[in-house]
Amino acid sequence: EAQVTQNPRYLITVTGKKLTVTCSQNMNHEYMSWYRQDPGLGLRQIYYSMNVEVTDKGDVPEGYKVSRKEKRNFPLILESPSPNQTSLYFCASSPTGAKQPQHFGDGTRLSIL
Amino acid sequence: AQSVTQLGSHVSVSEGALVLLRCNYSSSVPPYLFWYVQYPNQGLQLLLKYTSAATLVKGINGFEAEFKKSETSFHLTKPSAHMSDAAEYFCAVASFGNEKLTFGTGTRLTIIP
Repeated sequence: EAQVTQNPRYLITVTGKKLTVTCSQNMNHEYMSWYRQDPGLGLRQIYYSMNVEVTDKGDVPEGYKVSRKEKRNFPLILESPSPNQTSLYFCASSPTGAKQPQHFGDGTRLSIL
Repeated sequence: AQSVTQLGSHVSVSEGALVLLRCNYSSSVPPYLFWYVQYPNQGLQLLLKYTSAATLVKGINGFEAEFKKSETSFHLTKPSAHMSDAAEYFCAVASFGNEKLTFGTGTRLTIIP
C-alpha cells in the first residue's frame, strides 16, 4: 500500500530537548515536504526536498532542520524546541514536485511545554 | 510570491443544498491549483487539481471547481451536500519558478441535517 509514515504520532516534550520526527514514503517519490498546521493559519510549508541531498526552505523554516540522505526518508529536526513550535505537523510526498498532488501522512501532534 | 485566500473560515449548509467554498489566488503566471479535504484526525486528501487542460475540473465525491482567470478564482462546488462532506477544505497553489506549495487558511464545512 502506498503510504507516507510519520513517527511519532503524538509527542509531549519540554523546551530545549532535541527531537526528531521521522517521515518515510514507499512510492519512490523524489519530492518530500514538511508542513505545520495551526488553527486559523492553514498549512504552512517548513522545508521541502527535490531529491537526495537537495533541500530548500519553505515559508516558516526558522527553528527547524531537515536532511535527505535517502530518497525514502525526510526527517524533521527540532534542535531546541520552543512552545511556539507546538503544532500539528504533516509530511507529504509527490513524484517530482509541488505541481503534482501531494500524498500526506497522518500527522504528528507535538506539544512543547 | 503566490498566495491563496479562502473567504469564510466556517460554512454551514443544509443536507441536500449547494456547497460553495471560495478560493482566490494571486499569481503572475497561470498557476497549478488544488483542493484538498481533511477529515477529523486525518491527513489531507486530494479532491481535485487544475493544470490548464480544462477550466471546469471534476474531482472525487461529486465536487468540482471552475478556474476563472479574469476573477483569479477557483471556487469549489457540489450540487447537493451530504453529511459525509463535513470536513475542512484547503485550497493550494504551486507556481512556476519554485517548488513551494502555498495553502489557504482553510474552510470548515458543517452540514446541517
